[in-house]
Amino acid sequence: KAGVTQTPRYLIKTRGQQVTLSCSPISGHRSVSWYQQTPGQGLQFLFEYFSETQRNKGNFPGRFSGRQFSNSRSEMNVSTLELGDSALYLCASSLQSGGLNTIYFGEGSWLTVV
Amino acid sequence: QKEVEQNSGPLSVPEGAIASLNCTYSDRGSQSFFWYRQYSGKSPELIMFIYSNGDKEDGRFTAQLNKASQYVSLLIRDSQPSDSATYLCAVTQGAQKLVFGQGTRLTINP
Repeated sequence: KAGVTQTPRYLIKTRGQQVTLSCSPISGHRSVSWYQQTPGQGLQFLFEYFSETQRNKGNFPGRFSGRQFSNSRSEMNVSTLELGDSALYLCASSLQSGGLNTIYFGEGSWLTVV
Repeated sequence: QKEVEQNSGPLSVPEGAIASLNCTYSDRGSQSFFWYRQYSGKSPELIMFIYSNGDKEDGRFTAQLNKASQYVSLLIRDSQPSDSATYLCAVTQGAQKLVFGQGTRLTINP
């Protein structure tokens, strides 16, 4: 069974640009969530989607957005990139939204903003 | 008070010994508790999850949960050098939101 797949794995962007990251959840999983990991702040929740609806959102500025498609694949977008957006962006999937679920992470997308 | 607190370490344990990792959380409504292992430059890997009070064993790993004390721990028996990593405690806040501790860096000394 394939795991959570994230693309691209590594990317370098310039301040002011925008970036789109993609995530394909484990087959059959309908909930996708996104996290940002930095050395200073650790792992922080960005948002969670279930059945194409954003169910929960973390404390990040509006430059961070996401969406989920009917096949459960998800994308997140960061606009007007800042140096502080350099981080590992992790996608996680689980079977459903609600109840007790095991949450699995993809390998992440390493974003460097220069 | 941080929502999820871990001793950042580093925690150094001799090979073959028991490594004990601790985590406390503030939200009494949390229902699911996870331990992830993260090697440097890699993403977190789920190693244990626990939902009910008590102990849960999986191979060399035992997770312990005490909801009354808002405490969850991870024991690693017969520690191996390959267990050297950062261990992240995560607690659900709502259905799908994980709140992470800062992680404990564990080093197993041969």
